[in-house]
Amino acid sequence: SQQGEEDPQALSIQEGENATMNCSYKTSINNLQWYRQNSGRGLVHLILIRSNEREKHSGRLRVTLDTSKKSSSLLITASRAADTASYFCATDARQAGTALIFGKGTTLSVSS
Amino acid sequence: GAGVSQSPSNKVTEKGKDVELRCDPISGHTALYWYRQSLGQGLEFLIYFQGNSAPDKSGLPSDRFSAERTGGSVSTLTIQRTQQEDSAVYLCASRKQGAGYEQYFGPGTRLTVT
Repeated sequence: SQQGEEDPQALSIQEGENATMNCSYKTSINNLQWYRQNSGRGLVHLILIRSNEREKHSGRLRVTLDTSKKSSSLLITASRAADTASYFCATDARQAGTALIFGKGTTLSVSS
Repeated sequence: GAGVSQSPSNKVTEKGKDVELRCDPISGHTALYWYRQSLGQGLEFLIYFQGNSAPDKSGLPSDRFSAERTGGSVSTLTIQRTQQEDSAVYLCASRKQGAGYEQYFGPGTRLTVT
């Protein structure tokens, strides 16, 4: 069963705008990761936030984690057409390093 | 260095046939994962290998699915008597023990069962 649920399912924005995607999960976690997938093939790791962290930055990415609400958000600032992809959150609920449990993803479309 | 590779990239097979999908992880990565992604869906965990430990097979959907990992490196996912609902992209990922929890994914094998 899916652990994470992203919303919105789809997001369309203009270049230069910010994109915010949300993820909710059901059980306690060790860490939460965000991945990007282009064209329905391999995934690329973007950022990891540990359960004892509340916010993390990496370049144009900002991730927040609220363990009390079992939710996370991914903010992409100053979006570019190249950011067009599907974005997934993933958790390793059972034990850190074991299999990830993915949500269904948010499809982001950035138009120029 | 080379990333995770998978072969074939695409496979079309007839219902009832067996298929084998191959994954070559990044050299030195002791953990290897198989996931399945059906159209428009998230990734579904299938099986996880970690070093010489017994694999975690808890995600395999039926006994038609099996996987092995030889010599702690290459892995093969076998689907016997394929069904149309097996059509999906099968993704392999590897991870280096003790180097964080990031998984490195291969490009996947798109399986179509006709």
